[in-house]
Amino acid sequence: EAEVAQSPRYKITEKSQAVAFWCDPISGHATLYWYRQILGQGPELLVQFQDESVVDDSQLPKDRFSAERLKGVDSTLKIQPAELGDSAMYLCASSRDRNTGELFFGEGSRLTVL
Amino acid sequence: TQLLEQSPQFLSIQEGENLTVYCNSSSVFSSLQWYRQEPGEGPVLLVTVVTGGEVKKLKRLTFQFGDARKDSSLHITAAQPGDTGLYLCAGDDVNTGFQKLVFGTGTRLLVSP
Repeated sequence: EAEVAQSPRYKITEKSQAVAFWCDPISGHATLYWYRQILGQGPELLVQFQDESVVDDSQLPKDRFSAERLKGVDSTLKIQPAELGDSAMYLCASSRDRNTGELFFGEGSRLTVL
Repeated sequence: TQLLEQSPQFLSIQEGENLTVYCNSSSVFSSLQWYRQEPGEGPVLLVTVVTGGEVKKLKRLTFQFGDARKDSSLHITAAQPGDTGLYLCAGDDVNTGFQKLVFGTGTRLLVSP
C-alpha cells in the first residue's frame, strides 16, 4: 500500500541552527500539506500546496520557515534559525486533489530544539 | 482562525464501557472528518460526514454531524484496548474554495483491560 514518506524521523538540534524535513507524498496526489503538532494536541496547518503552487501559507512563520515543492512531487520544509518553541512533530500529508477527500499522513518528523 | 474544541481532553476508562467525544465550533463546516492517531504515527481517517444531521456507523463507533454543521460527536460502544489513541476531528472551512482542514484540540483515550 502506498504511503507518505518522511525523513528524518527524529532530529535533535540546537537553537539557531538550520533544520530541514523532507516529504514524498503518495504518487499522483496533487495536494500536499505540512502540519505542526505539539504533543497531545491537534495538528496545525503550516502550508498547503496544489502541485508546485502554494495555496495557503497563512499560518507559516515566514521569518524563519520556508517550504517548497519545486516539481510538484516531493517537498522540503526548512527552519532557520530554529527556536526552542519549534520543538514539535512535523507531519506531512497528501490528498488526491484540493477540493475534498481523505488526507494520508506520514509518520512525522519529531524535532527537539535544545 | 476557526477553532474546534474537543471534550473531554483526556478519558481513561475500562474495557467494555461506553464513551462519547464531542467536537464543537461556532463556525459552519462543509464537512467534518474524524481521525485516530496512535503514538509515533500520523492520523488515520475514520469517517467523513457531510450532511447536517448525518449519522455514520463504523462497527462499534457512531459518528454524528450536527444539524447546523457546527459540531459533531463520536460514540464508542463497549470500548476495547485497541481503541486507545488520540481522536481528532477536522472541519473543512466552508469559506475557502478548496479543502482546508482545521483540526480540533484532540481527545486522548486510554482503554484499560
